[in-house]
Amino acid sequence: DTAVSQTPKYLVTQMGNDKSIKCEQNLGHDTMYWYKQDSKKFLKIMFSYNNKELIINETVPNRFSPKSPDKAHLNLHINSLELGDSAVYFCASSQTSASYEQYFGPGTRLTVT
Amino acid sequence: KQEVTQIPAALSVPEGENLVLNCSFTDSAIYNLQWFRQDPGKGLTSLLLIQSSQREQTSGRLNASLDKSSGRSTLYIAASQPGDSATYLCAVGSNDYKLSFGAGTTVTVRA
Repeated sequence: DTAVSQTPKYLVTQMGNDKSIKCEQNLGHDTMYWYKQDSKKFLKIMFSYNNKELIINETVPNRFSPKSPDKAHLNLHINSLELGDSAVYFCASSQTSASYEQYFGPGTRLTVT
Repeated sequence: KQEVTQIPAALSVPEGENLVLNCSFTDSAIYNLQWFRQDPGKGLTSLLLIQSSQREQTSGRLNASLDKSSGRSTLYIAASQPGDSATYLCAVGSNDYKLSFGAGTTVTVRA
């Protein structure tokens, strides 16, 4: 059973398009996260939700909008995609807050052309 | 703002040698420290989690130590194997729910 899953695994799209990435966890965790890993492999937190409530909102363009329909799902919608959005996006979850071990999904490689 | 540094950036050792990976962080007010492994094109796998009140954690051939006061953690991998080849990431958890990552150490174990 996959603990944290993301779809799609690969996403190739053109500049200006709108796209969504979905994340689901079956661990019963309360907290979910979105991270971005750039070309230099540096991982940075973007958003975090705890029980469907936004608790971390880093300095990201407002073209990025997370949505948590329930505590098992955290989706990421990106409007007006730009070349600089090309990266690998990882979803993660933890039991409650960052004091607990985080479990990561396999990542979604987004390429904007 | 928490800054996490990992040295060295890359490491190549012959099979059987012990590995020592270093992680340093600037703010000692941490919740925990987590070591991850990332294989090329794959997600992150959690290896060890050390709570701020702990000084070390062990799992099989892996041992991680934590010295909060000096802002350091070390991951030891005993008797390395080619299958240990991967990038190892150190991440520091703070009480604002954030996990701050280092850039990683890429390890190659030569058969």
